[in-house]
Parts: sequence; structure tokens; C-alpha cells
Amino acid sequence: GENVEQHPSTLSVQEGDSAVIKCTYSDSASNYFPWYKQELGKRPQLIIDIRSNVGEKKDQRIAVTLNKTAKHFSLHITETQPEDSAVYFCAASRTGGFKTIFGAGTRLFVKA
Amino acid sequence: DTAVSQTPKYLVTQMGNDKSIKCEQNLGHDTMYWYKQDSKKFLKIMFSYNNKELIINETVPNRFSPKSPDKAHLNLHINSLELGDSAVYFCASSRFQNLGTGELFFGEGSRLTVL
Repeated sequence: GENVEQHPSTLSVQEGDSAVIKCTYSDSASNYFPWYKQELGKRPQLIIDIRSNVGEKKDQRIAVTLNKTAKHFSLHITETQPEDSAVYFCAASRTGGFKTIFGAGTRLFVKA
Repeated sequence: DTAVSQTPKYLVTQMGNDKSIKCEQNLGHDTMYWYKQDSKKFLKIMFSYNNKELIINETVPNRFSPKSPDKAHLNLHINSLELGDSAVYFCASSRFQNLGTGELFFGEGSRLTVL
């Protein structure tokens, strides 16, 4: 079945450093790849997404890259700040699939 | 205005009881979902509904029965609660798009604790 693997499970960085989270998906028909941020006790919220017809997308300090051949996609956060501390989820879905499959999450700690 | 709202926020109950969680969205979306988030934060899809019709049932036990009276509402009823049902249940909605499901808008979550 469909599966999304996410690494690392925990990531600790110093404020100002970059953070990279990597995901791999199994369903080659997947064509939409969102990233969600979940702060403690809150709901997951979309921070950036990428579609299969694009290789890279950037929004201020966050960027996402997609390698369709390898079925890999990654989240890059530059100049990290303490408020970036949260759990980040990658996910994948496909046209007509009616479901989004989530990775297991990465707990990011940004130390001031 | 809350886009996706679910009630109650907290549920504490005994094993064997029956409980319901309600969800409503005012975004005009066609598709609604229930996700379960366990203690390890893993988000697992349970059900997908499109225009009130059940589309996906991810091998969820029969004790879980979703109901969608209209496109804006998706409720979840759980019978004979077990300890393993303890989790946070998130309702979500999306506008079905041609490329994938599109952005999911989550409710605040309902934390269920079974004693």
C-alpha cells in the first residue's frame, strides 16, 4: 500500500542554522506533496506544498524540493528561529485518491 | 470564524462506553476526513467522505461509524470503547482538486481518553 517514510524523527539545531527533513513515498502516482507544521497541542497547518510538475518551491525561509525519479522530497528551513520548534509532517496524495498519507513526523527543536 | 470546528475538545470515558464527536466546516469543501493521531504523533487516515458519500474506510473496526448528514458535517460515533482508542481525533476538509486532495484544513482535535 501507500507509504511515506520521514527522517529524522528528531532534529535539534542551533538558532540561525538550517534544518533539513527528508521524505520518501512509495506510490508513483502521487502528485501532490504538502508539508504541515504542528505546534504543541495545536492542529496541523499547511506551511508549503509542491506538485509533481515542479521541482522546487520557495517561500521566504522555507523551501521544498522534489525528485520524482527517486520518489524523494525534502523540506529546508534556513535561519531557524525558536518559533520554528514544532513537529513537521510530510505527506503525499494523488489525483482521485481522496486521501493524504502522512509521514511519521519530525520533532524539530531550535535552541536559542 | 472557525473554518473546521469539532466538539467536544476533550472526552474522558470508561471502557465499553459509546461516544460521539461532531465536526462542521464552513469552507464549502466537498471532502471531509477523520484522522487519528496516536501518542507517537502518527497521523493515520480513518475515513474520507466526498459529497456525503463514504469513499475511503481504512480498515477501521466496525465499532467506528461515521455519518455525514450533509456536505458540511461529518460525525464520528464510537461503540464499545477500548483502551487503544485513546488518541486525538482530527476532522479535516479539503476542496477536491484535480491534482491530489489539495490542502487539508484541520479542526482543533478531540482528545479521547479511555480509562
